[in-house]
Amino acid sequence: KQEVTQIPAALSVPEGENLVLNCSFTDSAIYNLQWFRQDPGKGLTSLLLIQSSQREQTSGRLNASLDKSSGRSTLYIAASQPGDSATYLCAVNINYGQNFVFGPGTRLSVLP
Amino acid sequence: NAGVTQTPKFQVLKTGQSMTLQCAQDMNHEYMSWYRQDPGMGLRLIHYSVGAGITDQGEVPNGYNVSRSTTEDFPLRLLSAAPSQTSVYFCASRGYLSTQYFGPGTRLTVL
Repeated sequence: KQEVTQIPAALSVPEGENLVLNCSFTDSAIYNLQWFRQDPGKGLTSLLLIQSSQREQTSGRLNASLDKSSGRSTLYIAASQPGDSATYLCAVNINYGQNFVFGPGTRLSVLP
Repeated sequence: NAGVTQTPKFQVLKTGQSMTLQCAQDMNHEYMSWYRQDPGMGLRLIHYSVGAGITDQGEVPNGYNVSRSTTEDFPLRLLSAAPSQTSVYFCASRGYLSTQYFGPGTRLTVL
């Protein structure tokens, strides 16, 4: 059974720091991996989608990498801002349907 | 584009009552799904659909029913509400191997 973990569970950094969030999955047979952001009391907003054949994706200050063989993905946030404070979740697509398995999330606080 | 819409935003039920959570998308996506999010449990898949007329069970399907008569709509029915179904419910949709879009959620309390 596919399991997804995220480390750390919570992170607090001063504004301007570069930071890395980690996502690990137990079964490398995935179709793609998606990073989301969730603000308190809100839905999930997609940040980046990496297909299984890709190594990384970039959007603005965000860069996500994927290493299928080792079952890992990282989300790199450059020059963090207080507006980046949220919970970040990763999810792996384990078949062509809608079977996504989510990690528990990393709660990020960026202090001004 | 409205994206993925969900109604209602909040709902309080008594044990044993039934209700339907509505979900609609206007992006012509084939794939739609329902998740529940609970503290300490993360997001868990309840039911999903890969197209009109096709549905399947996810990780936690018991106590819920779905149907998909059109591409746009994917309602979730609670047959006989129980306190264990108190949760936040999210609907999502996507195209084939593409980005998954989520609705704003329905916060359900069962007394």
